[in-house]
Amino acid sequence: AQKITQTQPGMFVQEKEAVTLDCTYDTSDPSYGLFWYKQPSSGEMIFLIYQGSYDQQNATEGRYSLNFQKARKSANLVISASQLGDSAMYFCAMRERDTGGFKTIFGAGTRLFVKA
Amino acid sequence: DSGVTQTPKHLITATGQRVTLRCSPRSGDLSVYWYQQSLDQGLQFLIHYYNGEERAKGNILERFSAQQFPDLHSELNLSSLELGDSALYFCASSGSIDRGGDTEAFFGQGTRLTVV
Repeated sequence: AQKITQTQPGMFVQEKEAVTLDCTYDTSDPSYGLFWYKQPSSGEMIFLIYQGSYDQQNATEGRYSLNFQKARKSANLVISASQLGDSAMYFCAMRERDTGGFKTIFGAGTRLFVKA
Repeated sequence: DSGVTQTPKHLITATGQRVTLRCSPRSGDLSVYWYQQSLDQGLQFLIHYYNGEERAKGNILERFSAQQFPDLHSELNLSSLELGDSALYFCASSGSIDRGGDTEAFFGQGTRLTVV
């Protein structure tokens, strides 16, 4: 079964508008972390935002915010005021405990296109 | 610049060969994670090392092995290479294993392996 699901293979957004990228997850570990990464065409992985499973408030980092709905196991990324440079692949990931360490599971990604 | 260094950036080798990918984590980071990104499998977690010890294993083939040295750099060894091993291999580092997972994981630029 998929543990991280990103249902939107591709999304279009107009420059300066907000966009929400969906992510749902499944885990039995009560202590987990949720991450969003951006991968531009150059290939590097850029950390955007993190939400811990026990965090009471939604995480925010500049124009990025994470809409964390624990009961629904949902961790959507909201990008406000989209810029052309936001065009990239976006990955949702979940880190959960595994024996003495952690393993991270990535979603399939959502490709975001920002239109001028 | 994430502070994580991976070498080489590109590698082309023949089937059946063995290669070693190297990762230097950010200064002070004790954890190193290895990932494989391929077109058909997406981003897959391979292995997690913390302060020289293997802590978690993901979808890592038996032909692959890794280690983390006393100076905290890590190497991923890939042997008996097959065409399907062609992928982008990332390492990431983070600071502490004790806080229930780190808030960030910094990725290197990746090593693009092409098996011909």
